[in-house]
This record gives sequence, structure tokens and C-alpha cells, in this order.
Amino acid sequence: VQLVESGGGLVEPGGSLRLSCAASGFTFSNGWMTWVRQAPGKGLEWVGRIKSEADGGATDYAAAVKGRFTISRDDSQDTLYLQMNTLKTEDTAVYYCIKVGSSGGFDFWGQGTLVRVSS
Amino acid sequence: EIVMTQTPLSSAVTLGQPASISCKSSQSLVHSDGNTYLSWLHQRPGQPPRLLIYKISNRFSGVPDRFSGSGAGTDFTLKINRVEAEDVGVYYCMQATRFPITFGQGTRLEIK
Repeated sequence: VQLVESGGGLVEPGGSLRLSCAASGFTFSNGWMTWVRQAPGKGLEWVGRIKSEADGGATDYAAAVKGRFTISRDDSQDTLYLQMNTLKTEDTAVYYCIKVGSSGGFDFWGQGTLVRVSS
Repeated sequence: EIVMTQTPLSSAVTLGQPASISCKSSQSLVHSDGNTYLSWLHQRPGQPPRLLIYKISNRFSGVPDRFSGSGAGTDFTLKINRVEAEDVGVYYCMQATRFPITFGQGTRLEIK
């Protein structure tokens, strides 16, 4: 299993960014996926999750990002996305793309991509 | 939101000695399907976290058997029966029983 995030960078407050996560080594279309972030020197914070299309493709979000962030997937490209709008300085973090195991555990993590929100 | 509280927040252990980390949740983590979605993760410096234990006590593929998880309801424990140098880093408990998914604050393990 390999998960490779991209799209991070420096953005001004109020700006937008889209992260991508290229997946390989497993049947992506069957997988539930999640995003977790980690602010510099801090702990882990769950961002949101998307189910497989076979399970309805529903999304759930943390309160801190609901209405601003959108998780989507392109099963034809084995790619997960995180669209981030109206970014705030407190969104500065490394964003990890994660495969959710059938047991509910977060069983494979990408290396992460750094998002910095600053003027 | 379920609050996950870990103790201790840091621990220094001699190589070959045991280590134990406690994780308490503010509500029962028993899901309506009967499972308890409590996991343990380990993050080495500069690395992403990796899954150690899922559903309280199940070791993930490739995790050494010196790691074990136990507990029920709201009280959980991760034990390392003989600490090795590669075990340094931060350990997190995580609950996925109810949204939002939440993590403990992390416990930093160092070698004495």
C-alpha cells in the first residue's frame, strides 16, 4: 500500500488549496479513506472521512472544518482529494491521507503534505 | 465529543524494561455493533504515525508481539513488555466509535 499526498504549500488566510492523495497497492474503490492533520509540534486531529461508493460515498467532517473543507474521490484515478476553502491560520498543519481498515483502524498512512496559512 | 485522556504524557524507560500507557475515554467506546473501536498509534520523530493495535487488543500486521493492548468500556492500556530503542516516539490512543473521531494528547516515550 502506498499513499502519496501532494498539493501542500503556502497560502494566505481566506485562500483555497486542494490536496491530492494518489493511492496504490490496494483496491482503492473499495476503501474508506480519511484525512488527519497535525499542527507543528502538536497532536493528531481528525479532519474527515469518505466511505467507498459501494457504501454510499458519504462524508463526515470535524466541526472545525465543516462547511469549508470537502473530501472527494476519483476511483478511476485512485485518487483522494481534500478541497480546503476559506483557510485560517489555525489550519496550518501536515495533512495525512489514510486508508481505513475493515477493522476501523487507520492502517496505512501517507507521508503527509504541509499546508501553511500565513500572510 | 469523546475526550481521550492519556497518562503519563511522558515516560523514560530503560532498555529491556516494560512500559505502560493508560488511555481513558469520557464515554464508553462500545459501539452499537458490539465492537470497541479503540486503536493505538506510534509516531517516530519525523515520521507519520503507524497503526499498532486496533479494536483494543489486535496487533496490526508486522507489529512485534512485545506490544499488547487491553481494556474495556472507558479504560484502556498499551503495554510494551521489553522496550527497544526503536520504540521511542509518541504514542496515541484513538477512538473511532463515535464521530468526531478523537485522539489522546500523546505520550512521549524516551530511553533512560
